[in-house]
Formats: sequence, C-alpha cells, structure tokens
Amino acid sequence: GDSVTQMEGPVTLSEEAFLTINCTYTATGYPSLFWYVQYPGEGLQLLLKATKADDKGSNKGFEATYRKETTSFHLEKGSVQVSDSAVYFCALRNTGFQKLVFGTGTRLLVSP
Amino acid sequence: EPEVTQTPSHQVTQMGQEVILRCVPISNHLYFYWYRQILGQKVEFLVSFYNNEISEKSEIFDDQFSVERPDGSNFTLKIRSTKLEDSAMYFCARVSDTQYFGPGTRLTVL
Repeated sequence: GDSVTQMEGPVTLSEEAFLTINCTYTATGYPSLFWYVQYPGEGLQLLLKATKADDKGSNKGFEATYRKETTSFHLEKGSVQVSDSAVYFCALRNTGFQKLVFGTGTRLLVSP
Repeated sequence: EPEVTQTPSHQVTQMGQEVILRCVPISNHLYFYWYRQILGQKVEFLVSFYNNEISEKSEIFDDQFSVERPDGSNFTLKIRSTKLEDSAMYFCARVSDTQYFGPGTRLTVL
C-alpha cells in the first residue's frame, strides 16, 4: 500500500540556519504530495502542496519539489525562525478524494 | 482557512463510556474525513463520509465507531464503549481541492 517515510527527529537548529526535512513516498499512480505543520497544542495546517511531478510548492519561505524520479518531496527553508518550531508531516493523497497517508512527523526545534 | 470547528476541544471520559465528537463546517460540504493522532504518533485515517454515507474506512474503524450527519450540517464521530487506547486527538477534515483540518478534539480515556 501507499506509504510515506520521513526522517526521524527531532531536528535541532539555530535561528537562521538552513532546514531540510527529508520525505520519500511509495505509491501507485500519481499522488499529490503535501506538507502539514502542527504547532504546539494546535491542529494540522496545510503548509504547501504539489500535485504533479516537478511542481514546487511554497509558502512562508518553505519549499518542496515533487521529484518523481527519486519519489521524494523534501521540505526546505533557507533561514528558520524560532516560530518555525513545530512538527512537520509529509503526506500523500493518491487520487481524487482519497484519504491522506501521513508520515510519522518530524519535530523541528529552533533555538535563538 | 479555518472553516471547520470541532467540539469539544477536550473530552475526558471513563473507560466504557460513550463519547460523541462533533465537527461543524462553516460552509456546506458533502465530503468529510476523520483522523486520529495518538500522542506523539502519526496521524491515521479513520473514515471518510460522503453525502451521508461512509465511503471508506480503515481497520481502526471497528464496530465501536460510527459516524453520522444527524441534522444535515454537523458531522459526529461516536465511540460506543471507549477503551484506554482510544485516547488521542481526533481531527475532522473537510475536502475541497485539498483537506483542511479542524483544530481537533483531545479525548482522554481514564
């Protein structure tokens, strides 16, 4: 079945450091890919998405490119802030109105 | 896009009791999902609900669980006889071009 694999955390960075959180997937067909963020004590917020190969999703300085050849959707940000501290979930949706399949989440801790 | 609210925000119950979790869309949508997240773990799909019928459910969604749209607007997730392992965050999500999650209900089973 479909699955998503994320790098284990926590990822600990200093403010203004470069961030990469790896995400790879296994799926039949041509899934859409998502990153969701969960701030402490809150629900899941959509951060960005990409619906086809080579698409780049971006939002709030975060970017991820849909790489079909490597089945990856790594999350990057050039300069993290303390306020970016959260848990980041990579997810896929295979087609249409199907369910989201989530990775295990990666906790990011940014210190001043 | 906070177009889904959930009540209650936190529910504490005794093992064996029934709980009803509510999802309230601000606008009218036909397609909803329920997910759960056990503390510190991944988000897991429970059930999808389209046009007043279950369209898909996971292995987790056993006979203890049910979903309804009792008044044509709210969506409910009922757990008939809660177990300790039902303690989790429960999220509903509405579907348009993507899935937008509500803030969740934290269920604590004692």
